[in-house]
Amino acid sequence: KQEVTQIPAALSVPEGENLVLNCSFTDSAIYNLQWFRQDPGKGLTSLLLIQSSQREQTSGRLNASLDKSSGRSTLYIAASQPGDSATYLCAVSKDTNAGKSTFGDGTTLTVKP
Amino acid sequence: DTAVSQTPKYLVTQMGNDKSIKCEQNLGHDTMYWYKQDSKKFLKIMFSYNNKELIINETVPNRFSPKSPDKAHLNLHINSLELGDSAVYFCASSPGTGTDTQYFGPGTRLTVL
Repeated sequence: KQEVTQIPAALSVPEGENLVLNCSFTDSAIYNLQWFRQDPGKGLTSLLLIQSSQREQTSGRLNASLDKSSGRSTLYIAASQPGDSATYLCAVSKDTNAGKSTFGDGTTLTVKP
Repeated sequence: DTAVSQTPKYLVTQMGNDKSIKCEQNLGHDTMYWYKQDSKKFLKIMFSYNNKELIINETVPNRFSPKSPDKAHLNLHINSLELGDSAVYFCASSPGTGTDTQYFGPGTRLTVL
């Protein structure tokens, strides 16, 4: 059974810092990995999708890497801003069906002005 | 323009009642999902429909019944509500059933008293 763990559970940084969020998964036989952002009381927003054959994806100040063999992914946020404050979730899809994703329990990020 | 919408946003009801949550997507996607997010933020897939056909039915009580009148809508009906049903329910959609990015609705916070 796939298990997804995210470390740290919570992170507080001053504005402008670069930071890394970690996601690890127990079964390396995956099809893709997604990073999501969840704002309080809101739905999830997909940030980056990495296919199993890829090693990284970039979008603006975000960079997500994937090391499938070691069961790890990192989300790098450059020059953090208060607007980045949210819970970040990673989800691993072991199946060709996107719905069969296993989610981590998230990292709650607070960026202080 | 809202991509994936859910109604209601909040639902407070007594134990034993029957309630429905509606979901609509205007993205032209073929696949829709229902997820349950518990108090610890864990997201678990409940159901998935592709072109109105059920393709994922995880282990959920049969008090939960999804209905897809067309591929743009996936409603969730819950009979005989129990205290443990209290959670946030998210609807999502994706272009297909493969390794596609999922787009989430804002969530429905269900509280059973």
